[in-house]
Amino acid sequence: SQTIHQWPATLVQPVGSPLSLECTVEGTSNPNLYWYRQAAGRGLQLLFYSVGIGQISSEVPQNLSASRPQDRQFILSSKKLLLSDSGFYLCAWSVLRGRSYEQYFGPGTRLTVT
Amino acid sequence: KNQVEQSPQSLIILEGKNCTLQCNYTVSPFSNLRWYKQDTGRGPVSLTIMTFSENTKSNGRYTATLDADTKQSSLHITASQLSDSASYICVVSATSWGKLQFGAGTQVVVTP
Repeated sequence: SQTIHQWPATLVQPVGSPLSLECTVEGTSNPNLYWYRQAAGRGLQLLFYSVGIGQISSEVPQNLSASRPQDRQFILSSKKLLLSDSGFYLCAWSVLRGRSYEQYFGPGTRLTVT
Repeated sequence: KNQVEQSPQSLIILEGKNCTLQCNYTVSPFSNLRWYKQDTGRGPVSLTIMTFSENTKSNGRYTATLDADTKQSSLHITASQLSDSASYICVVSATSWGKLQFGAGTQVVVTP
């Protein structure tokens, strides 16, 4: 069966520090991968998606970047964190089920920028 | 403007009672509509997914309906349990490959 891992689960970082969040998927190959951010009381916002190694699409201009160095690894980074980067970050992957792509979410990382 | 609107924003119900959550969307073209359950501090978990040709789908005590003509969906929870306390998120996809539009969610609290 497929499994998605994210780490760390929680993170407290000062403003201006760098960030690296990692996501890995097991049990599937060539998945579509996604990074979302969820602000308190708000819907999920798609930040990046990737359809293959080295292929990254950015949905919103921001202080973050993403990379996909391996097929099942997706990394979210920042060189200098802002207070507004605080939030709940979710990694997801999708697979074709019938005629639709079913999307599965990781456990999330709670980031607090102080 | 959000293309997926959910109501109510929050809901408190007694254990054992039923409730219905609403979702209206303007996403076009339409590929599929999903309902997710998200426990606090956890990632969302899929409950149902429906394409435009499906108008109802059940998953245990959860039943989702879809009216693609009026662009409305509902999620009905039967005989609620304390473990049903969570945020329920309506998600609509304009394409089949997975780019999704999320509603803000309905926070459901089930009390004993």
